[in-house]
Amino acid sequence: DVKVTQSSRYLVKRTGEKVFLECVQDMDHENMFWYRQDPGLGLRLIYFSYDVKMKEKGDIPEGYSVSREKKERFSLILESASTNQTSMYLCASSLDPSTIAKNIQYFGAGTRLSVL
Amino acid sequence: GDSVTQMEGPVTLSEEAFLTINCTYTATGYPSLFWYVQYPGEGLQLLLKATKADDKGSNKGFEATYRKETTSFHLEKGSVQVSDSAVYFCALSSGGSYIPTFGRGTSLIVHP
Repeated sequence: DVKVTQSSRYLVKRTGEKVFLECVQDMDHENMFWYRQDPGLGLRLIYFSYDVKMKEKGDIPEGYSVSREKKERFSLILESASTNQTSMYLCASSLDPSTIAKNIQYFGAGTRLSVL
Repeated sequence: GDSVTQMEGPVTLSEEAFLTINCTYTATGYPSLFWYVQYPGEGLQLLLKATKADDKGSNKGFEATYRKETTSFHLEKGSVQVSDSAVYFCALSSGGSYIPTFGRGTSLIVHP
C-alpha cells in the first residue's frame, strides 16, 4: 500500500515563527501536493511539485514556500506564521497522469496547525 | 475551467437508510471521476472511480455511475452504517492535468 506520512498530527506555533511541515511518500510518486482544508472551503491547493527541485504555485501560495530536495520528501514552509494560517494541512502524492492509474491522489493523515 | 459541485451537508441519516450524495461537474473533454472519503481525524482516501461514460465505480457498498449526458456522478449506498459517517469529496481529473479538481465535500452523519 502507498503510504504518505506527515511528520506531525498536531502543531501549536506562535505568530511570527518559521514553521516546517514535512511529508514523505514511499511509492516513488512523481507528483506531490500541499493542500489546506478549512470548513466550508473544501481543499485548496497551496503548492505542488512534479519532480525533484520543481515546484508550482497553486491557488493560495501567499505566505508559504516549499522544498523538494528528494523525490520522496516535500516540505511546506510558513516563513512567518500568522493566525490566519491556522488550518488542517494535507499532503498528497500521485503518479504521472499519463499512467493508467491516472491521477489517483494518496493523502497523508493531515497536520492540524494552530497559530497563536 | 473545470469545476465540481456537490450538495451541501450535513446529510443526516438513520442507520440502514438509503444514501444519495449528488455531484455534477463541468470539464473539457472526457474527465476521470472520483469519490474520496475522509473519516474523522484522517486524510482523504479513494473510495471509487470511473474513467469513461457509463462506467460504474463501486467499493464498500457504495456506487456511482459516470453520466456524460447529465454531467453527473452521484454517490449511492443502499444501507448506510454508523461507520460510514465521514466527509465525502467528489473530484475530477481532466486530460493530462497533474491537479484534480475537488468539490467542497459533503458531511454524512449516520445515527444508530
